[in-house]
Amino acid sequence: SYLLTQPPSVSVAPGQTARITCGGYNIGSRSVHWYQQKPGQAPVLVLYDGGGRPSGIPERFSGSNSGNSATLTINRVEAGDEADYYCQVWDFSSDHYVFGTGTKVTVL
Amino acid sequence: QVQLVQSGAELKKPGASVKVSCKASGYTFTSYGLNWVRQAPGQGLEWMGWINTNIGNPKYAQGFTGRFVFSFDTSVSTAYLHINSLKPEDTAVYYCARESTTGTLGFDSWGQGTLVTVSS
Repeated sequence: SYLLTQPPSVSVAPGQTARITCGGYNIGSRSVHWYQQKPGQAPVLVLYDGGGRPSGIPERFSGSNSGNSATLTINRVEAGDEADYYCQVWDFSSDHYVFGTGTKVTVL
Repeated sequence: QVQLVQSGAELKKPGASVKVSCKASGYTFTSYGLNWVRQAPGQGLEWMGWINTNIGNPKYAQGFTGRFVFSFDTSVSTAYLHINSLKPEDTAVYYCARESTTGTLGFDSWGQGTLVTVSS
């Protein structure tokens, strides 16, 4: 089955840039979605189809996708960005959605 | 505004059944697919499958066949997750999540989650 690998944790100082990677075979050819989940809350969609931002998501959140890696970039990180982040793709071979392993972003 | 409101927490014994509801409001229920996602304690997100709220035709992910059943009632804009023969390892938070029919816009609205605890 298709696997999506994320680093377990990323630490970043306020005002700096956080980059969260999502590795998967040929992920650059797929539509990647990203979710933010704060403790005790439901996930929230922050990027869809690689770089689209739902209403209400700041421009500080952006995405890129190429080859075997997709990246969620958070510019000018704020304390409120501290959360778990998950990538997601549709696996055509199994007809399933797959979530990444998740990355905990800590704001120092 | 778009809302998915799920039923409350459940405490069940092994072997019992549970039904989790997900009531939609603020949009046309049959215009969006409904997905179910499981999150075990301290773990990541796991896609369970989805149901087409127009025609039915539920699709179940690997590991969620047999004991798990998706259904819906359009008259009350509500989707249901039914789990039979509960096991302790079914203890988790279960989320419903809306998805556009294009499949390229992600899960843009989520329920608040329902904690199901299975314990003797």
